[in-house]
Amino acid sequence: AQSVTQPDIHITVSEGASLELRCNYSYGATPYLFWYVQSPGQGLQLLLKYFSGDTLVQGIKGFEAEFKRSQSSFNLRKPSVHWSDAAEYFCASNNNDMRFGAGTRLTVKP
Amino acid sequence: DVKVTQSSRYLVKRTGEKVFLECVQDMDHENMFWYRQDPGLGLRLIYFSYDVKMKEKGDIPEGYSVSREKKERFSLILESASTNQTSMYLCASSLRGSYNEQFFGPGTRLTVL
Repeated sequence: AQSVTQPDIHITVSEGASLELRCNYSYGATPYLFWYVQSPGQGLQLLLKYFSGDTLVQGIKGFEAEFKRSQSSFNLRKPSVHWSDAAEYFCASNNNDMRFGAGTRLTVKP
Repeated sequence: DVKVTQSSRYLVKRTGEKVFLECVQDMDHENMFWYRQDPGLGLRLIYFSYDVKMKEKGDIPEGYSVSREKKERFSLILESASTNQTSMYLCASSLRGSYNEQFFGPGTRLTVL
């Protein structure tokens, strides 16, 4: 069965610093991959998704993610973090069965 | 703008009560889902539905049932609420196809006393 791993439970970065959130998926074929963000007390909002083509995907709010088949990874990046980016981030994969990682909570220091 | 709404943001119930959580989407999506979210466990699928009157068990269906009588509405039912069902419940909908993202409601924080 496919699964998604987010190795970092909690990450703290300073405002203006760069960010990388890690995501690994386990599945033989390339699944469809997604990153969602959840602000406190809210539902999940899609940041970006990958299903084919260019391995660098641009999303909303200045986020991007890179698919690396050799590493089974789909890491999320942002060059300069804003205080409003503090939230929980979920990676997900879908191959007829959507699977979510456990999430990474991002704290932004002033 | 696409929208998934859930009937309550916060709900407090007593052990043994029957609980209904309602979800409505206005996007004409075929698929609807109910998840439970607990700290450190991510989202776990309770039930999903691919069409009206259709339902499929997810990973943790025990203690829950669902109903989908109309395409836009998907209800989650706790027949006899227990304290271990205290959680955040998220509803989502999507078009058919694994490449389509799920759209989420704001969630219902359920506390069972």
